[in-house]
Amino acid sequence: GAGVSQSPRYKVAKRGQDVALRCDPISGHVSLFWYQQALGQGPEFLTYFQNEAQLDKSGLPSDRFFAERPEGSVSTLKIQRTQQEDSAVYLCASSLKGQNTEAFFGQGTRLTVV
Amino acid sequence: GENVEQHPSTLSVQEGDSAVIKCTYSDSASNYFPWYKQELGKRPQLIIDIRSNVGEKKDQRIAVTLNKTAKHFSLHITETQPEDSAVYFCAADEFNTGGFKTIFGAGTRLFVKA
Repeated sequence: GAGVSQSPRYKVAKRGQDVALRCDPISGHVSLFWYQQALGQGPEFLTYFQNEAQLDKSGLPSDRFFAERPEGSVSTLKIQRTQQEDSAVYLCASSLKGQNTEAFFGQGTRLTVV
Repeated sequence: GENVEQHPSTLSVQEGDSAVIKCTYSDSASNYFPWYKQELGKRPQLIIDIRSNVGEKKDQRIAVTLNKTAKHFSLHITETQPEDSAVYFCAADEFNTGGFKTIFGAGTRLFVKA
């Protein structure tokens, strides 16, 4: 596709349920980022991949959050035992080279934990 | 790590007036500063960026200035139009041993009144 694609667009989960959010970056993009955006706030960094290597996961809020990009393309963000405070829009972004280059965002997945 | 502060949080201007959004950053090693526009329910999209080797960059009605000594940068929108209404995010790249990541400000909600 022409842009970054995320699925699902919307997800409602019961508290305690596990969820998996998918990101399809632009083909050939080396860098992939996950961000969490709470209502009315800026995107907060979660984790960063360069190809298949997860170079930075310092933004993951707890060990319930896990991300992978096993073949250096599609990435999955998994949240185990979801809590209400996990409710947010999860944005994925990719860039061609990495630093100092434009990041292209997906539409995001709006997660609501009830 | 990098900390990006953005002001104001809300800005209301009359159509045709100028709008200025200001950001400061903390990491003197940062050298890439993008600005993103996010319309309601949509993905953030890059509108302009500046690298540390220049002090100003202009693209039609938008311009960005950078003062590396003071560690602040600003977005200027002239001749504002109703379609400029959106949330604007400044950002700065943070570098560390794990690679780099883009740190965002909290956003400025711009209202352009017709």
